[in-house]
Amino acid sequence: DAMVIQNPRYQVTQFGKPVTLSCSQTLNHNVMYWYQQKSSQAPKLLFHYYDKDFNNEADTPDNFQSRRPNTSFCFLDIRSPGLGDAAMYLCATSRGGTSGLAGEQFFGPGTRLTVL
Amino acid sequence: GQNIDQPTEMTATEGAIVQINCTYQTSGFNGLFWYQQHAGEAPTFLSYNVLDGLEEKGRFSSFLSRSKGYSYLLLKELQMKDSASYLCAVRIDTGFQKLVFGTGTRLLVSP
Repeated sequence: DAMVIQNPRYQVTQFGKPVTLSCSQTLNHNVMYWYQQKSSQAPKLLFHYYDKDFNNEADTPDNFQSRRPNTSFCFLDIRSPGLGDAAMYLCATSRGGTSGLAGEQFFGPGTRLTVL
Repeated sequence: GQNIDQPTEMTATEGAIVQINCTYQTSGFNGLFWYQQHAGEAPTFLSYNVLDGLEEKGRFSSFLSRSKGYSYLLLKELQMKDSASYLCAVRIDTGFQKLVFGTGTRLLVSP
């Protein structure tokens, strides 16, 4: 089945210790997104890739970086995690395009990050 | 700015009908999505509206009024498994298709 896969599902790191979350997709979608979702809050878009073009949201902290080495994979790097970065991190993909269901986003199961 | 409002929480009983409202004030509106999210899991797509009117999909229906900036999700014949958060998301055109999410409505279905 075509899908969006995130690893690991649960990640524990220490304050200030770099961590990388990974996302892969078999949908062959152009666009990959990273969201941060804290408890009882809306998913907050951090950045997205349209093919190889990287787009950062204006309020995404510099502490968060991303890499997309190929169509299938995308990584979220948190350089120096703080306690406030504990959250669920959701990866999503979409076909791109500007109409109809082209913008429908397919989400991975998420990685829950704990910062000690 | 972009603003999407939903009630925080709703309760209903099994077999009943519930309507979850969403109002929005956004720029560049290009469609509205509803997602279901169970606790600790990823959002899953439920419905999509871009034109005014009702879209029906089994037990779930979604309505949109663009002039009023208003949508609702209607769930019929509620089941216990429908207990989840329901996220309203507006697609805005900022040069690419971006979804802006509401904070979600937590629905609790009781026996």
